[in-house]
Amino acid sequence: DIVMTQSPDSLAVSLGERATINCKSSQNVLYSSNNRNFLAWYQQKPGQPPKLLIYWASTRESGVPDRFSGSGSGTDFTLTINSLQAEDVAVYYCQQYYSTPYTFGRGTKLEIK
Amino acid sequence: QVQLQESGPGLVKPSETLSLTCAVSGHSISSDYYWAWIRQPPGKGLEWIGCISHSGITYYNPSLKSRVTISGDTSKNQFSLNLTSVTAADAAVYYCARGVAVAGVSGPQPGLYFDYWGQGTQVTVSS
Repeated sequence: DIVMTQSPDSLAVSLGERATINCKSSQNVLYSSNNRNFLAWYQQKPGQPPKLLIYWASTRESGVPDRFSGSGSGTDFTLTINSLQAEDVAVYYCQQYYSTPYTFGRGTKLEIK
Repeated sequence: QVQLQESGPGLVKPSETLSLTCAVSGHSISSDYYWAWIRQPPGKGLEWIGCISHSGITYYNPSLKSRVTISGDTSKNQFSLNLTSVTAADAAVYYCARGVAVAGVSGPQPGLYFDYWGQGTQVTVSS
């Protein structure tokens, strides 16, 4: 199985500042044939199901604010939230879909400082 | 608007079978996409359990494969999860979700990420 390791486990960022969450896969999730990274990011607010934010490592899902961006390739990925808003408080998960079983990171809890 | 809604017993006895159903509205499960079950133990991360395609093909997490069956009922536009021989380790919030399939890297299994989720249903395992 591909193990997804997120860091940090939690972080606190001031409103209006930038939050950066990292995700590392134990195996490469870049498919050379199409040059795409099989990596998604989700946001989960308390008491809610996860919400898809980003797929293909950097493609925003429809309706997701452009302050959310994804980057990285191969085994190292980053979710960046610019201009942090109060409603961004949540746990964020990365997920690989390169191979089954599809696996998720353990999550990064984002709070307001 | 696609909506998914889980239903089933919230309490299951150890060694018995957990059975959940996911009712889908706004999209036919037989037309396209994959339909998945994902669980989240209390205070923990997410675990993919398995999925069923619009044509009835199933894929399961090897860690659960011996105990899991996912089936679809196109007449009711719903799909179901059966998990046998449950233990306390199976206590979790169970989500159903729609999987967006992309061409897999190798073999017939697709890559899947999940764009619509149900609200989840809490399952407790206790006698």
